[in-house]
Amino acid sequence: NAGVTQTPKFRILKIGQSMTLQCAQDMNHNYMYWYRQDPGMGLKLIYYSVGAGITDKGEVPNGYNVSRSTTEDFPLRLELAAPSQTSVYFCASSTAGYSNQPQHFGDGTRLSIL
Amino acid sequence: AQKVTQAQTEISVVEKEDVTLDCVYETRDTTYYLFWYKQPPSGELVFLIRRNSFDEQNEISGRYSWNFQKSTSSFNFTITASQVVDSAVYFCALSDSSNTGKLIFGQGTTLQVKP
Repeated sequence: NAGVTQTPKFRILKIGQSMTLQCAQDMNHNYMYWYRQDPGMGLKLIYYSVGAGITDKGEVPNGYNVSRSTTEDFPLRLELAAPSQTSVYFCASSTAGYSNQPQHFGDGTRLSIL
Repeated sequence: AQKVTQAQTEISVVEKEDVTLDCVYETRDTTYYLFWYKQPPSGELVFLIRRNSFDEQNEISGRYSWNFQKSTSSFNFTITASQVVDSAVYFCALSDSSNTGKLIFGQGTTLQVKP
């Protein structure tokens, strides 16, 4: 029962570097989300997708890009890493739809930009 | 705009005490959903409960209970006879009627249960 799998679990980047955070789910969920959690704060939505080929911005999209070529995968791309992007990143998925089903979360990726 | 406020940043109790975590929300939607998630020290997010805006019945699950009051826009969470394993950060969240499932999270309440 893999659920939502995020890789890597930890990463340190230098300012200006790029990287992709991977997210995969095996529950055949159409809806997927990326959140960031800053210390002592709640989660904020970065991007979301309601199905393959469809993505949209959340509350804090600047500095990030996403793609959704398959139902299973929803990678998050940081193009030019900045210290303000130091955070814990969570990927989630759900069946959502009209009844807003609960989101299943991955274990998170802890990212530090130095 | 939608908003979730968890005014209690940190709560510390002694084991076996009852504790209530407050959640106040703002929304203009008539249809919406409220959630509680638990984040233990290991860091993962665990779903606890979902409640839609048309169901104001209180719910009890073991030592956990939830009180939903639309009149005061509150969705409070009570742990009865707290245990050390309840120590975690608890988040209240709100989603709207857009059918996208997007969540607005509160800032979280850190609960420490001391033995």
